[in-house]
Amino acid sequence: DAGITQSPRHKVTETGTPVTLRCHQTENHRYMYWYRQDPGHGLRLIHYSYGVKDTDKGEVSDGYSVSRSKTEDFLLTLESATSSQTSVYFCAISRLAGAYEQYFGPGTRLTVT
Amino acid sequence: DQQVKQNSPSLSVQEGRISILNCDYTNSMFDYFLWYKKYPAEGPTFLISISSIKDKNEDGRFTVFLNKSAKHLSLHIVPSQPGDSAVYFCAASQANYGGSQGNLIFGKGTKLSVKP
Repeated sequence: DAGITQSPRHKVTETGTPVTLRCHQTENHRYMYWYRQDPGHGLRLIHYSYGVKDTDKGEVSDGYSVSRSKTEDFLLTLESATSSQTSVYFCAISRLAGAYEQYFGPGTRLTVT
Repeated sequence: DQQVKQNSPSLSVQEGRISILNCDYTNSMFDYFLWYKKYPAEGPTFLISISSIKDKNEDGRFTVFLNKSAKHLSLHIVPSQPGDSAVYFCAASQANYGGSQGNLIFGKGTKLSVKP
């Protein structure tokens, strides 16, 4: 199994509060991704990183920001959580972009009340 | 618009029989395709992939077929086992283009149930 951990694994928060999810890898992979999974939508890319301090937006980036100050850590921040951000969030890593598989973490279940 | 489509939300198969999961795509620039399996409360796990230069790739009980002219791929599981019961996601990318085009686009998934 790829060495990917996510924290916290579960979180309940109130609307309007800031939330930060952490993804940590021990594989030294260059690429890291944040996805959300919702019923009827599959997996949708929020943001991704192609190196330290190099990030870009994905399909559903509104309301989210990311930071990557070290190769091993990729943080996802909800500046002011909304109920529409209730979801399961997955981090993934990849050695290279393109024709290479991504390996996923165990997920964080976030509930915004 | 949905670039990767899995039109069957669910599929039920008897143990020992073949499971066929289907996936259609609309972007003719996609050149790399993957299948992931996901159990409840776990992250997706990579299953098998295929490049557009091939039309078939096999790994044990799992075979992926690619029909580029129809923009269609399928995953065959033979024989199906109860442990194969999971949600299967199809994904595609423009692998040779790099940048954001190399990112994976996922279908919505098909829930496979294999009955003993």
